[in-house]
Amino acid sequence: QKEVEQDPGPLSVPEGAIVSLNCTYSNSAFQYFMWYRQYSRKGPELLMYTYSSGNKEDGRFTAQVDKSSKYISLFIRDSQPSDSATYLCAMSMGTNAGKSTFGDGTTLTVKP
Amino acid sequence: NAGVMQNPRHLVRRRGQEARLRCSPMKGHSHVYWYRQLPEEGLKFMVYLQKENIIDESGMPKERFSAEFPKEGPSILRIQQVVRGDSAAYFCASSLTGGDQPQHFGDGTRLSIL
Repeated sequence: QKEVEQDPGPLSVPEGAIVSLNCTYSNSAFQYFMWYRQYSRKGPELLMYTYSSGNKEDGRFTAQVDKSSKYISLFIRDSQPSDSATYLCAMSMGTNAGKSTFGDGTTLTVKP
Repeated sequence: NAGVMQNPRHLVRRRGQEARLRCSPMKGHSHVYWYRQLPEEGLKFMVYLQKENIIDESGMPKERFSAEFPKEGPSILRIQQVVRGDSAAYFCASSLTGGDQPQHFGDGTRLSIL
């Protein structure tokens, strides 16, 4: 079983829809939770970075972490065609454990 | 992604040759990470380095792969005697400090083995 499981998609929504992207994990030592956006042939771009449980909002993006359920989500409000990309969740244990563990990504298409 | 610079962007090698991938971290960052991404898969951790030190190489294949981050110059991921299975996108990331700081990625090197 993978340490991080991500809803595989692909996901296709109309412009303006609310998008929900989700990951579950098995390692309770994860403390830091990230969402990256990756366009085709480009590197991952950091969208959200959160520590421990709770919500964090940045513009149209909201990251949610529920450590008790080992579940994280990214919500995108008023989705735009430019949001079409692959979204990767990632987690790390922090401190001296530098590596991040990634989900396999969810490909999102927002149709005009 | 302009902050972390990787070169070359594309690299073609024949089986048995050596591949050298370079990564210059963001200005002020002294922690570098290498990841590999196979088609339709997420990123898999390979190695974590600080200047002149390998901190964690638990994701590196035991043979043919090596990495360094010298006091001066970029970090280098070296693959000796490449095989077809080494074809992938290799991404470098950097952070200001380790662990509790977010990692910022370059645009990767796409390695193709003929």
